[in-house]
Amino acid sequence: NAGVTQTPKFRVLKTGQSMTLLCAQDMNHEYMYWYRQDPGMGLRLIHYSVGEGTTAKGEVPDGYNVSRLKKQNFLLGLESAAPSQTSVYFCASSYIDSYNEQFFGPGTRLTVL
Amino acid sequence: AQSVTQPDIHITVSEGASLELRCNYSYGATPYLFWYVQSPGQGLQLLLKYFSGDTLVQGIKGFEAEFKRSQSSFNLRKPSVHWSDAAEYFCAVVTLHGSGNTGKLIFGQGTTLQVKP
Repeated sequence: NAGVTQTPKFRVLKTGQSMTLLCAQDMNHEYMYWYRQDPGMGLRLIHYSVGEGTTAKGEVPDGYNVSRLKKQNFLLGLESAAPSQTSVYFCASSYIDSYNEQFFGPGTRLTVL
Repeated sequence: AQSVTQPDIHITVSEGASLELRCNYSYGATPYLFWYVQSPGQGLQLLLKYFSGDTLVQGIKGFEAEFKRSQSSFNLRKPSVHWSDAAEYFCAVVTLHGSGNTGKLIFGQGTTLQVKP
């Protein structure tokens, strides 16, 4: 039982490049989330999903897209990376009726030059 | 709008001393509150949660927190801090919206705990 895993762990991009971050969970959770963490700002919700095939915007969605084609996977895409997207990205998942007791992945550290 | 405030950005305590980390929330309804801990280079781990009932809740690693509705607070405490407790601590509140429990976590800014030997 791996819990929540994230791929890759580190990545350096140049401005304008694109990439996809992969989140996978093996707990059969309905809900999945993508956050970014920046110094002094806590975690901010980018996008989330309440089930396979559904996605919704969070607090800071601009510049990101997501897809949830399979229940266990939640992908975060950056179509044209900008330096402002340098951050640590965390994926999380939760059960449908857990009042958001969320389980977090180890994070992806992204640097955009 | 719902919000969570952690007034202390950085706290230093001596090993063996007691600890209290402050958390204040702004939320109209009964809040669902959480404390998470993040060790360096790691993801977040749930310490404890409050949904209803007893206002003093116990968590893992010897932590506890007390919900005080009158003060809109949910402070985290530990009687005796260990060096391994050095980490960043986040308070969070669930905001429910729409139909069903499609809640979202709102995090505070975090408090970094340093433990002196």
